[in-house]
Amino acid sequence: QKEVEQDPGPLSVPEGAIVSLNCTYSNSAFQYFMWYRQYSRKGPELLMYTYSSGNKEDGRFTAQVDKSSKYISLFIRDSQPSDSATYLCAMINAGNNRKLIWGLGTSLAVNP
Amino acid sequence: EADIYQTPRYLVIGTGKKITLECSQTMGHDKMYWYQQDPGMELHLIHYSYGVNSTEKGDLSSESTVSRIRTEHFPLTLESARPSHTSQYLCASSELVGSTDTQYFGPGTRLTVL
Repeated sequence: QKEVEQDPGPLSVPEGAIVSLNCTYSNSAFQYFMWYRQYSRKGPELLMYTYSSGNKEDGRFTAQVDKSSKYISLFIRDSQPSDSATYLCAMINAGNNRKLIWGLGTSLAVNP
Repeated sequence: EADIYQTPRYLVIGTGKKITLECSQTMGHDKMYWYQQDPGMELHLIHYSYGVNSTEKGDLSSESTVSRIRTEHFPLTLESARPSHTSQYLCASSELVGSTDTQYFGPGTRLTVL
């Protein structure tokens, strides 16, 4: 079993929809949680990061962490065609080995 | 926007050739990374460096080698390329944001070995 599980999709939604992207994880030592966006043929870019449990909002994007359920989410409101990309979750072990552990990525298409 | 550069962006070469993929960052980050990513697949860490003269192998075994002689430069070398090396190679560097390392990626090099 992988430490981080993410449904690869693809996910297709109409423009203006609310999108929910999710990851589950098995290692309770993870403390920092990140969402990256990767456009086709480009490197990933950091969208948001959160520490421990709770919500964080940035414009149309909201990141949620539920450590009790080992579940994180990224919500996109009023989705736009420019949001079409692959969204990767990543998290860091709080111990000495602070390597980033990546999800597979979810492919999202927002249709005009 | 992250100032991390990779060259070449695309490379098509024949089997047996020696190649070096370049990666440079102007942010003064100590930590740098190389990932390999096949289409539709997850990122795999193949090398990382926590500073000059420090290099470590990542989670995915790779026949490539790296060097870190200068902080800003982290080249990856394949001594004898094979078709199995065909992939996208992504370079990243990281800094502490809050209490965690945040990685910034270059645009990637798409390598095709014929």
